[in-house]
Amino acid sequence: AQSVTQPDIHITVSEGASLELRCNYSYGATPYLFWYVQSPGQGLQLLLKYFSGDTLVQGIKGFEAEFKRSQSSFNLRKPSVHWSDAAEYFCAVGSMAGFKTIFGAGTRLFVKA
Amino acid sequence: EPEVTQTPSHQVTQMGQEVILRCVPISNHLYFYWYRQILGQKVEFLVSFYNNEISEKSEIFDDQFSVERPDGSNFTLKIRSTKLEDSAMYFCASSDRPSGNTIYFGEGSWLTVV
Repeated sequence: AQSVTQPDIHITVSEGASLELRCNYSYGATPYLFWYVQSPGQGLQLLLKYFSGDTLVQGIKGFEAEFKRSQSSFNLRKPSVHWSDAAEYFCAVGSMAGFKTIFGAGTRLFVKA
Repeated sequence: EPEVTQTPSHQVTQMGQEVILRCVPISNHLYFYWYRQILGQKVEFLVSFYNNEISEKSEIFDDQFSVERPDGSNFTLKIRSTKLEDSAMYFCASSDRPSGNTIYFGEGSWLTVV
C-alpha cells in the first residue's frame, strides 16, 4: 500500500539552528516526491520536488532534501532556521502511474528565539 | 505567477444543506483535483478530474460529493446534505500533467457545518 510517514509530529528548534524533517515513503512504482509547507490558515506551498537525477534537490527558502532510495527516505533540511519558517510541513508522494498525491501527516515546526 | 483561486474562503452552513465550492485552476492546466484536510489531520485526496470526467477518486468521495467543470475556467465541488464531519479545509489543485508532476494548490475553502 502506498503511504508516507513523517515520524515527528512536532519539532522545536532554535532560530539559527539547523533543521532536518524526516520522511519515509512506501510506494510500489518510481516515486515522485514533494515537500509542501503550510502556514496557519494558508494553503499548501511547494518547497521542492524530486522526480529523477541528482538525489539532492534544492528548493525555495533555503530548503533542500535528499532522496535515499535504499532507505525509502526524503528528508528535508535547512542549515539555519528563521522564525518565519514556523509552519506545518508535509511530505508527499506521487507517480506518473496515478492521479493522486499522498500526503504524510505533517510535522509542525516551532522556532524559538 | 499563475495561481489557483478558490471561493469562498470560508463558509458556514447548516447540517443537511448543499454546498458548492468553486475553484479557478491555472489556465493551461488540464488535470484538476480536490483534497480535504480536517482540522489537525493530514491532507486527503478526494478526486481527480481530467477530460471532463473523474479519473480517480478516494473512498471518501461517495455519492454525497460531485464535481463539475461547468465552463472553461471553473471547477466545482458540490457536497449534498452536509454532515458535521464534512467540516474541513477543502483544497483545489491543478496540474498540466498527471500527479507525477507538480500540482499547484489553492489557498483552500474552510467549510464549517453547524
